[in-house]
Amino acid sequence: DGGITQSPKYLFRKEGQNVTLSCEQNLNHDAMYWYRQDPGQGLRLIYYSQIVNDFQKGDIAEGYSVSREKKESFPLTVTSAQKNPTAFYLCASSTGLRSYGELFFGEGSRLTVL
Amino acid sequence: GQQVMQIPQYQHVQEGEDFTTYCNSSTTLSNIQWYKQRPGGHPVFLIQLVKSGEVKKQKRLTFQFGEAKKNSSLHITATQTTDVGTYFCAGPRNYGQNFVFGPGTRLSVLP
Repeated sequence: DGGITQSPKYLFRKEGQNVTLSCEQNLNHDAMYWYRQDPGQGLRLIYYSQIVNDFQKGDIAEGYSVSREKKESFPLTVTSAQKNPTAFYLCASSTGLRSYGELFFGEGSRLTVL
Repeated sequence: GQQVMQIPQYQHVQEGEDFTTYCNSSTTLSNIQWYKQRPGGHPVFLIQLVKSGEVKKQKRLTFQFGEAKKNSSLHITATQTTDVGTYFCAGPRNYGQNFVFGPGTRLSVLP
């Protein structure tokens, strides 16, 4: 089955540690995105990528980093510089930005900082 | 900057009652999408509207895109407990080639 796989689903981190969230898609989509969701709030864009080896900052990129070395993969690193990293992180993909196709979301990764 | 707002933030209804959520953009949108997120789940695409004044139906759900392409609505007729969740609208950003989401409307349905 085609889809987006995020791992881990739950992650606990101590303050000062970097963590990397995995996002893999087998939909052959060009565009991939990372969103952050806090309780009772909407989705805020962290980073997005249109093609391999290229990505752009979203609205809340500070304290985060990404890479896009393969079309299928778009990992997100939450660095120790992120002041309030506890949140639900969602990865998504779409056929392409110019066609504004629907977003397919992974099941999310819930990060808790202890 | 470009903003997308939704009202109401929360809505509690008795099962069988109707429900409507409204989405308003600060700028004209080329299209608008709607997503549903069940509690503890991830957003799932419902529909995309493209044309001015467009109305689309999916069973008990009716979606409308405003004539000016700056607002949209989702109406659910005779709600069921399976309708529980948060409904988001999203539109393409005018620049930067990505999507901006509204804050969502959380629907609770009391049996």
